[in-house]
Amino acid sequence: GENVEQHPSTLSVQEGDSAVIKCTYSDSASNYFPWYKQELGKGPQLIIDIRSNVGEKKDQRIAVTLNKTAKHFSLHITETQPEDSAVYFCAASMRAAGNKLTFGGGTRVLVKP
Amino acid sequence: EAQVTQNPRYLITVTGKKLTVTCSQNMNHEYMSWYRQDPGLGLRQIYYSMNVEVTDKGDVPEGYKVSRKEKRNFPLILESPSPNQTSLYFCASDILGTTSTDTQYFGPGTRLTVL
Repeated sequence: GENVEQHPSTLSVQEGDSAVIKCTYSDSASNYFPWYKQELGKGPQLIIDIRSNVGEKKDQRIAVTLNKTAKHFSLHITETQPEDSAVYFCAASMRAAGNKLTFGGGTRVLVKP
Repeated sequence: EAQVTQNPRYLITVTGKKLTVTCSQNMNHEYMSWYRQDPGLGLRQIYYSMNVEVTDKGDVPEGYKVSRKEKRNFPLILESPSPNQTSLYFCASDILGTTSTDTQYFGPGTRLTVL
């Protein structure tokens, strides 16, 4: 089955700096790669996703890149703000095969004011 | 408002005492799933359902049961809870298929402690 690894497990950045989280996946058939943000006491919420026919996607201060050949994808947060502090999860899925998401282990991001 | 609800949000119980965590969604989604979240392990799928009366095991199904008698509800049952089932549980729902704008919606979580 699919295996997703996520690094780093913790990330501390100064407000205004950029944060980058990297994930690798094992199954070349995966074609959907969402990123979720989990705030304290809440369930994961989708912040951005990318499909295998696209190499990069951007939404305001967040962007995701996908390298299908190397089987890795990354989340980039620019101009970080204290409200970006949360746990971030990457995931991989073959959406044609029953919607199963395989998650990475999570990255705890702390943005210091 | 589109949402997934779970009850209870917090539960402390003792080994062997049967419990049920309820999950309900109001989006008419075919697909529903249960995950458990443990530090450093991310979210791992316990069971999933692709429609009414259709359920299947995920990656960590041991010690759990589910049922899907109605489309909107997907309860998680622990017949004889053990301390290693102490965890944070999430229910999720999704459209089944590959449409370009769908995503998986998560409930707020249930923190379970088994003593």
